[in-house]
Amino acid sequence: GAGVSQTPSNKVTEKGKYVELRCDPISGHTALYWYRQSLGQGPEFLIYFQGTGAADDSGLPNDRFFAVRPEGSVSTLKIQRTERGDSAVYLCASSLNSGANVLTFGAGSRLTVL
Amino acid sequence: AQRVTQPEKLLSVFKGAPVELKCNYSYSGSPELFWYVQYSRQRLQLLLRHISRESIKGFTADLNKGETSFHLKKPFAQEEDSAMYYCALSGPTGANSKLTFGKGITLSVRP
Repeated sequence: GAGVSQTPSNKVTEKGKYVELRCDPISGHTALYWYRQSLGQGPEFLIYFQGTGAADDSGLPNDRFFAVRPEGSVSTLKIQRTERGDSAVYLCASSLNSGANVLTFGAGSRLTVL
Repeated sequence: AQRVTQPEKLLSVFKGAPVELKCNYSYSGSPELFWYVQYSRQRLQLLLRHISRESIKGFTADLNKGETSFHLKKPFAQEEDSAMYYCALSGPTGANSKLTFGKGITLSVRP
């Protein structure tokens, strides 16, 4: 597609449930990033992929968060046993390669944990 | 550790007034600095990067390594400049490196 696509755009879930957020990057972009943005804050880095492998997952807050990119294109961010503090907008971005450092962002997935 | 500090949360000016959005950073080495912008109901997008040395929409930013700053400036603000602005930092171009953002500043330009 022409841009980075994220689904769902909005997700409301109950505490303790499992959630998956999907990102479809720009075709041909080898690097894919996940960020989390809470109200009033800047985007906070979670993880980035170069191809299929996670090049840096140092931003994942704990082992409830996991992300995959099995074929080097679409990525899924998975959150287990959701907590109210996980409520945020989850942003995905892609770039031609991770050395380019210029990111194109998706519209985000707004997660609300009740 | 890499860190970006945007000391102000909000800047409100009248149309035609000069604008300076402050950004300071902490990084061991030679970083690459960026300004990203998010207009109302739009996606976060790149405004400019220091290595390009361009003026985008009348905005410029100069990297001052001595003061570790990368302030964004515009001599005459327009109403359409109203948006959230984020300063961001990464490792040198060509290196595998994440982008670290500041907390952002809201620019409000009044008519």
